[in-house]
Amino acid sequence: AQSVAQPEDQVNVAEGNPLTVKCTYSVSGNPYLFWYVQYPNRGLQFLLKYITGDNLVKGSYGFEAEFNKSQTSFHLKKPSALVSDSALYFCAVRNKAAGNKLTFGGGTRVLVKP
Amino acid sequence: DGGITQSPKYLFRKEGQNVTLSCEQNLNHDAMYWYRQDPGQGLRLIYYSQIVNDFQKGDIAEGYSVSREKKESFPLTVTSAQKNPTAFYLCASSADRGNSPLHFGNGTRLTVT
Repeated sequence: AQSVAQPEDQVNVAEGNPLTVKCTYSVSGNPYLFWYVQYPNRGLQFLLKYITGDNLVKGSYGFEAEFNKSQTSFHLKKPSALVSDSALYFCAVRNKAAGNKLTFGGGTRVLVKP
Repeated sequence: DGGITQSPKYLFRKEGQNVTLSCEQNLNHDAMYWYRQDPGQGLRLIYYSQIVNDFQKGDIAEGYSVSREKKESFPLTVTSAQKNPTAFYLCASSADRGNSPLHFGNGTRLTVT
């Protein structure tokens, strides 16, 4: 069975500082990895994905993520956080061996303080 | 604009009543999904459909039913058999079930008392 872990329930960061949201996964075979963001009372918005190729993936709103196969991680990063980045972030994994089912992590709440 | 429309945004029902949540998409996507979101539990898959007139159970299908009579529509019925129906329900669609990302609606918050 595939799984996704987001070890931090909440991440606090000062505006202008780097932001990192951690994600580790467990799958059989090659993963497709995704990051989504959710603002209050809204649906999830797609940020970026890793399918194959370059381990550093760039996405929307200045976010990027680094795929690390040996550590089975896909951490989300932003060099300089904005107050408007405060939201709930979800990592997700999809894998052919699991019937292409998309499994989400439990989410990490990011709070960026001015 | 293309997207997914969920209605209503808020829904209140009495215990024992069935209720149907609407989900419509104009993205021409083949696959559609229903997720349930509870605080601190992330998203859990209820049902999904890869093609019209076909759907499969997800991880928590008990107490729910769906239909997929049209490509654009994937309504979810929360039946009286669902023991804890109060939750935030999210509908999504994708072009396929491979590496395409999901597009989400803005959700329906269901409260059952």
